[in-house]
Order: sequence, then structure tokens, then C-alpha cells
Amino acid sequence: DIQMTQSPSSLSPSVGDRVTITCRASQTISNYLNWYQQKPGKAPKLLIYAASSLQSGVPSRFSGSGSGTDFTLTISSLQPEDFATYFCQQSYSAPTFGGGTKVEIK
Amino acid sequence: QVQLQESGPGLVKPSQTLSLTCTVSGGSIRSGGYYWNWIRQHPGKGLEWIGYIYYSGSTYYSPSLKSRVIMSVDTSKNQFSLKLTSVTAADTAVYYCARGVNCSGGRCYDGMDVWGQGTTVTVSS
Repeated sequence: DIQMTQSPSSLSPSVGDRVTITCRASQTISNYLNWYQQKPGKAPKLLIYAASSLQSGVPSRFSGSGSGTDFTLTISSLQPEDFATYFCQQSYSAPTFGGGTKVEIK
Repeated sequence: QVQLQESGPGLVKPSQTLSLTCTVSGGSIRSGGYYWNWIRQHPGKGLEWIGYIYYSGSTYYSPSLKSRVIMSVDTSKNQFSLKLTSVTAADTAVYYCARGVNCSGGRCYDGMDVWGQGTTVTVSS
């Protein structure tokens, strides 16, 4: 299995802050990396696919970058509705997810 | 737009078989390029992929669960199903079905774009 390691596991930014979450794969996965947002009691929502492509309907303050083993999800200006848990997922082989990053209200 | 809905028992006894169905609405399960996935989430934990099925019946299971997983598809009902045998308390989780996008050769290049709301399954006597 390809292991996905996210950091940090949690953070407490303020509204308007720039937020960066990283995801590292245990082996190279090209750009087969997706990002999801999950709010309590809800299903995950696809934000970014293929490392940097914005899913339809997702605000442009979300962006993704990276290739190979190191990837980043950036929220350019955090909004109140962005407080949630974020997961990365590789689709290079049998899908695996990162452990999640909880973005909590400061 | 396409919607997914999981259904099945919320309580399963240890050693028995967990059975869930995902109904696809607003689109055809026979549409090419999509794999139909099952994912679970243990209480307060991360996400674990269980496997996927193509409308033709081709399957690909998680190596860690493949000995206990059976997936099937019923195109006439626009449904796909999950069976997990010999369950234990460790199988207690929220189970989601989800659509994989731009899939071929065993991979879904563009992630999972539509998810069901999830169903909680508890394994307990």
C-alpha cells in the first residue's frame, strides 16, 4: 500500500488567514492526488483532483500543487465555512487516504 | 445530477455478514468511465477504501479486506452492493458509497466526485 502522511494533523487559523496543508506519499504517485473536505456528520466533498485541478463549483480560494511525492492544499483566505477536516487521497494504485487535517476555529 | 443513497441494516452481529446497497439516481450506473466505490470511516478516524466495481461486474478490492469482501452490481435496478463477511467490532464504521471519475485500467484519475450520505453500521451482539 502507498502510505499518505498529512501535516499538520490540526491547526487553528483565523478567518482571512492563508492556510497550507501538506501531504506526502510513501512513493512517487505522479499527480494522482486528490483533496477532500469533510464537515462533521457529512460525506467528504471533492475539492481538487489530479493534484491541481479545481472541482466544479469549488471556490477559487482553494488550490492544489505538487507532483511525485509532495503535495500541498492551499486556502488563500480562510472563510468561516472552511472550518472542516481535509483529507488527501492517492489514486495511483489501490486508493489510500491521508490521516486528515482538522482546521479548527481559533 | 447523480445522487447515491446507501441502505442496509444498522446493526450486525459478530461473525455475520454485513450487507449494504447503494442506489444510483439521476444517472445510469452503466455510464462508462466510472467506478463505483465503497469507503468506510471508523468513529472519529480517517477514511478507508474498501473496493470498487464497474458496471460490467469487474471488481478491485483493498488488499487488507479482499478475503472478506464481495461486491456486486444490478444494472436493472441501478444499484451496487457490498457484502463483508465474518464481521467483528472492528468493522463498526460509517460506510459510504462514492463514484470514481475518469476511471480506466484500475485507476480513477479524477477522484470520487459524488458520495452518498453514509450509513452507520454497528457490529455488536
